[in-house]
Amino acid sequence: QEHLVESGGDLVTPGGSLRLSCAASGFTFSNYSMSWVRQAPGKGLEWIAYISSRGLYSNYADSVRGRFTVSRDNARNSLSLQMNDLTAEDTALYYCTRGTFDFWGQGTLVTVSS
Amino acid sequence: QAVLTQPSSLSASPGASASLTCTLRSGINVGSYRIYWYQQKAGSPPQYLLRYKSDSDKQQGSGVPSRFSGSKDASANAGILVIAGLQSEDEADYYCMIWHNSAYLFGTGTKVSVL
Repeated sequence: QEHLVESGGDLVTPGGSLRLSCAASGFTFSNYSMSWVRQAPGKGLEWIAYISSRGLYSNYADSVRGRFTVSRDNARNSLSLQMNDLTAEDTALYYCTRGTFDFWGQGTLVTVSS
Repeated sequence: QAVLTQPSSLSASPGASASLTCTLRSGINVGSYRIYWYQQKAGSPPQYLLRYKSDSDKQQGSGVPSRFSGSKDASANAGILVIAGLQSEDEADYYCMIWHNSAYLFGTGTKVSVL
C-alpha cells in the first residue's frame, strides 16, 4: 500500500528557510514523477514544484521559482523541498504528491510569521 | 481571470445527480486537455477521482465508484464531473486540474453540500 509521509513543517520567521521531506513507500518511487502542492488556510490547491522520475527535470510555479528547489533521492525513496526567503504568503499545508496527483501524503504545515 | 473557473458551491439532495463544471479561460480549448478531478473532504488531503479527455481517453481512479464520471461540454469550453446518486459522504470540495504551459493548474474549487 502506498504511503507518502511529509515532515519538516515548522514556524519560521519571514526571510527564513526551511527544508521539507517526503518519505515514500509501497510503490516503486523511481518510476514516478513527484510534485509538491500547497494549500493556504481556507484556500484552494496550488501546485508549486515538479520533478521528473529520475530527477533530470524540474519545474516551478511562478510564485516560488527562484526561492524553492525540489530534489529527490531515488535510492532512499525520498523527496525534498528546500524553501528560502519565505514570506507570509508561503504559509500553507504542503503536500507531497505522486505523478498527476494520484496519491497524496497527509501534509506538513509551514507557518511564516514574526 | 483564473485559467480554470469552478462554481464556488453546489447543493443537491441525496439520490440526485450533480454536475460540476470546470470552465477554461477563453483561448484555451477544452478539447485539447485531459481534465483531472479531485475530491477533498474536510480535514483530509485530496483524493484523485478520475481524468477525462474523451471517451477513448479516460481513467477512473483506483476504487472510485462508477457513479463519478467525467465529460466535456465543448460549447461551454468546460470539463464536467458528474456525481450520480449523491450520498452524504460526497460532501466535499472538488477541484479540477489541467497541465498547461508546463504547469499544473487547479481550478478554484466547488464545495458540494448534500442536503
